[in-house]
Amino acid sequence: EAQVTQNPRYLITVTGKKLTVTCSQNMNHEYMSWYRQDPGLGLRQIYYSMNVEVTDKGDVPEGYKVSRKEKRNFPLILESPSPNQTSLYFCASSLSPGFPLHFGNGTRLTVT
Amino acid sequence: GENVEQHPSTLSVQEGDSAVIKCTYSDSASNYFPWYKQELGKGPQLIIDIRSNVGEKKDQRIAVTLNKTAKHFSLHITETQPEDSAVYFCAALYQKVTFGTGTKLQVIP
Repeated sequence: EAQVTQNPRYLITVTGKKLTVTCSQNMNHEYMSWYRQDPGLGLRQIYYSMNVEVTDKGDVPEGYKVSRKEKRNFPLILESPSPNQTSLYFCASSLSPGFPLHFGNGTRLTVT
Repeated sequence: GENVEQHPSTLSVQEGDSAVIKCTYSDSASNYFPWYKQELGKGPQLIIDIRSNVGEKKDQRIAVTLNKTAKHFSLHITETQPEDSAVYFCAALYQKVTFGTGTKLQVIP
């Protein structure tokens, strides 16, 4: 089954404790991206990766890092989480930006 | 950069009625306009999309219209059913995808 898998689904952590949210896709997609979803703000892009060699900042990259060492995986790293990073996070992939995005089921992060 | 505005933020309709969600975009170079449906506890899922060389597209009860001159596009759902209840997002692409803020649709049985 074609899918984007994110882990964990739920995560509660404390300020400053480094964490990683994993994302993996099995569709051989070149393009991958991370979004955060907040009430009234819709989906805002954090980082994206055009392919294994290219990653770039989205609209709200502050406080986040990503890596794309292999095509299928695109982890999101919070080196020092803060309460304002409490949100619902989605990973997505597609053939390229001009094609439909396939989303994972989300990771709900709470930072206390 | 691109700015996408979406209205209304909430919409309640009686089962069987039609629902219309409208979006406007700012960058005339945008050329791809997808619509996503997000059910509770799940990620958004594409329901229909349209490219800038097409004015209208239909898929059963769902249709999307695009007015490039006015820079707006709309989602039309006819004969709504309870399972249409969800959050709907529009988006526009120029170099990267920008999403609207979402519409929570409630279909009342």
